[in-house]
Amino acid sequence: KNQVEQSPQSLIILEGKNCTLQCNYTVSPFSNLRWYKQDTGRGPVSLTIMTFSENTKSNGRYTATLDADTKQSSLHITASQLSDSASYICVVIYAGGTSYGKLTFGQGTILTVHP
Amino acid sequence: EAGVTQFPSHSVIEKGQTVTLRCDPISGHDNLYWYRRVMGKEIKFLLHFVKESKQDESGMPNNRFLAERTGGTYSTLKVQPAELEDSGVYFCASSHVHIISSDEQYFGPGTRLTVT
Repeated sequence: KNQVEQSPQSLIILEGKNCTLQCNYTVSPFSNLRWYKQDTGRGPVSLTIMTFSENTKSNGRYTATLDADTKQSSLHITASQLSDSASYICVVIYAGGTSYGKLTFGQGTILTVHP
Repeated sequence: EAGVTQFPSHSVIEKGQTVTLRCDPISGHDNLYWYRRVMGKEIKFLLHFVKESKQDESGMPNNRFLAERTGGTYSTLKVQPAELEDSGVYFCASSHVHIISSDEQYFGPGTRLTVT
């Protein structure tokens, strides 16, 4: 069964600190991996998109890494801000069979940044 | 450019009733997707339209769910009759082209459905 597991489930940090969120997946074959940010009451917004051949991708203070051999990804947030408080969702895109292109979502990590 | 919009934002209905959710994609986007997040679970794919055609409906839970996209513009998702387990947040997303290596899906804010 294709799955995406994220850890931790929730995380509380102080403003200005860094943090790293983890994602392990079993989706195979996969095309690309994405990290989304979802604010409360809003839809997910894409932060990074990485193909299987990419190891890292940055978007401002967000840096995602991918190890396709171990099927692991991480999202590193630098110098956190209060506005970073949100749910961060790891999504893997399936590249096989009749469900080609289907998104498989992790449960998300709820990040809370305190002043 | 207007984003993906969904209506209503919140719906509370009784078990056995019918509810219709609407999604207006970004203008010009041929691809439209429906997803659902039930309490405590991850977001799951329901189905994918390319213009007015259903490309993949493998995620539809059962025949109580009916999705349409007449004319290839907005889409509706009808639940009839609603059951308690249908409660959750229903998201719609749209994209311009279905190139999975780089296709950007833009999500709407979701419709929170509560079945009592």
